[in-house]
Amino acid sequence: DGGITQSPKYLFRKEGQNVTLSCEQNLNHDAMYWYRQDPGQGLRLIYYSQIVNDFQKGDIAEGYSVSREKKESFPLTVTSAQKNPTAFYLCASSMGRIGDSPLHFGNGTRLTVT
Amino acid sequence: KNEVEQSPQNLTAQEGEFITINCSYSVGISALHWLQQHPGGGIVSLFMLSSGKKKHGRLIATINIQEKHSSLHITASHPRDSAVYICAVLLTGNQFYFGTGTSLTVIP
Repeated sequence: DGGITQSPKYLFRKEGQNVTLSCEQNLNHDAMYWYRQDPGQGLRLIYYSQIVNDFQKGDIAEGYSVSREKKESFPLTVTSAQKNPTAFYLCASSMGRIGDSPLHFGNGTRLTVT
Repeated sequence: KNEVEQSPQNLTAQEGEFITINCSYSVGISALHWLQQHPGGGIVSLFMLSSGKKKHGRLIATINIQEKHSSLHITASHPRDSAVYICAVLLTGNQFYFGTGTSLTVIP
């Protein structure tokens, strides 16, 4: 079955450490996205990528970095510069241009930094 | 100011009731999505619409472009419909903006 796989489901890190969240899709989708979800707030866009080797900052990119070396993979690194990294992170993808087709989401990674 | 407002924030219903969740947005959009988030966190896309009405099983989504308003209806609600329902709009451009969600609990 096609879908988006995020791993791990839960991640714990000490403050000051960088951490990378994995996102893999086998839907052959062009566009991929990283969102952050905090209690009482809507999903907020961190980064998105429309094609391989290209990505754009979203509204809250500071303290995060991404790469898109392969169509299937869009890992997100939460760096020590991110002031409030504890959150639920969701990866998504869609076919074609952004907005042309439904979003497909992974099951998320809950990151806790202490 | 949030571009997308949902109401109500929380909703409890008895099994079998007809449910309506509302979404209002403040700017011009090119598409609107309704999403369902399960207790474990995973999100499923229910509808994508830019005009009129769509139906899938017991779910109906409508949009009024002039009034900048969309509704999600659930007929004959069931406990398995308990989830958070999220409205997302695609502004003219290339970013989605999301409502804060409506938490629905359907009691047997």
